[in-house]
Amino acid sequence: NAGVTQTPKFQVLKTGQSMTLQCAQDMNHEYMSWYRQDPGMGLRLIHYSVGAGITDQGEVPNGYNVSRSTTEDFPLRLLSAAPSQTSVYFCASHLGGQYNEQFFGPGTRLTVL
Amino acid sequence: KNEVEQSPQNLTAQEGEFITINCSYSVGISALHWLQQHPGGGIVSLFMLSSGKKKHGRLIATINIQEKHSSLHITASHPRDSAVYICAVSPSTRDSNYQLIWGAGTKLIIKP
Repeated sequence: NAGVTQTPKFQVLKTGQSMTLQCAQDMNHEYMSWYRQDPGMGLRLIHYSVGAGITDQGEVPNGYNVSRSTTEDFPLRLLSAAPSQTSVYFCASHLGGQYNEQFFGPGTRLTVL
Repeated sequence: KNEVEQSPQNLTAQEGEFITINCSYSVGISALHWLQQHPGGGIVSLFMLSSGKKKHGRLIATINIQEKHSSLHITASHPRDSAVYICAVSPSTRDSNYQLIWGAGTKLIIKP
């Protein structure tokens, strides 16, 4: 199993550009999440999904869109990149339920100029 | 006040020392997680526990549900243990949608 994969690993954007961060998992996990990690701060939840076709907002959803058309894939779209979105982005998945061990992707380091 | 607080924020120790990282939380939980993140690296789950104690190699995690407190211990610390250690809790409320509440992390540096 590849686990959780993310692409790209690094990305530099100009303000106003759009892009999609890809996330896929091959563990048949229902739950998938996107987090951002900023220096000195804990992980902050952007959006999450509890199954194909179902998504919801997390703590910091503004400026981001998600969709979940399949169980495996959960892309994160930046609609119009801003310098405040410079961060490291992690995708995670888990089986669901209360005892939800999280599996993380390797992260995408995004810089917005 | 954050619902999950870790201490210390930063910890530097010499190789071989016994390390303790603490996590306190203020909500009812069904489970507590400890995760590890090496510099520039991904995040790996170390432990998930809801009571008592778990051990894996030189790592030991304990939890006291009544006191809402957990500790992560590292015995015979080694420079390769240098990482950020993150505590997170699974709230026991039904409307949490099983999303975790995250601590800010403890940055550990072990010097040779």
